[in-house]
Amino acid sequence: DQQVKQNSPSLSVQEGRISILNCDYTNSMFDYFLWYKKYPAEGPTFLISISSIKDKNEDGRFTVFLNKSAKHLSLHIVPSQPGDSAVYFCAARSGGSNYKLTFGKGTLLTVNP
Amino acid sequence: DAGVIQSPRHEVTEMGQEVTLRCKPISGHNSLFWYRQTMMRGLELLIYFNNNVPIDDSGMPEDRFSAKMPNASFSTLKIQPSEPRDSAVYFCASSLYERTGELFFGEGSRLTVL
Repeated sequence: DQQVKQNSPSLSVQEGRISILNCDYTNSMFDYFLWYKKYPAEGPTFLISISSIKDKNEDGRFTVFLNKSAKHLSLHIVPSQPGDSAVYFCAARSGGSNYKLTFGKGTLLTVNP
Repeated sequence: DAGVIQSPRHEVTEMGQEVTLRCKPISGHNSLFWYRQTMMRGLELLIYFNNNVPIDDSGMPEDRFSAKMPNASFSTLKIQPSEPRDSAVYFCASSLYERTGELFFGEGSRLTVL
């Protein structure tokens, strides 16, 4: 039972273009969403997050959009750079007394020069 | 500042052997998480400690797995006896405020059980 789904295992874009990574979730109790980036042989690093009370959060070249009615979020990277090539994980958290993060399986982004 | 430190980085062992993975969280962080990454299941939370107390161990696969956090600067994940299906990358992560979900991960321990 996968509560956070990243249906695209991989994505390839040209340098300078927009990268759009998608994530769907099924648990309506999730109230906070995060994106992590992971390079080979390293641990995931936090990239950007969004609370369920917002529908957009921006940080430099990275923007996360949340559509609660569709239970969908996306990460936009503009412009994409070769150094952005990594695996991107979507994660979600439900509040209350347990702040457990549930991760998607990740999308491998390749940005071609 | 040092990040989360995990050891060993790589471990190859035979089925049935005991495996101990170690983690030193970032100083001052009060939450510690053990995750396992496999191709089939992605990143799964095994156990989560807050102020050295286990809060949620529902992800621990079975009794062969155990985790301890004897103090704020050290945690272990033990597998005894190990099985080939335990082969995975095990990540430790720490956080100052578990509420935000902004975890700081170590580089992982890659375990291969033959």
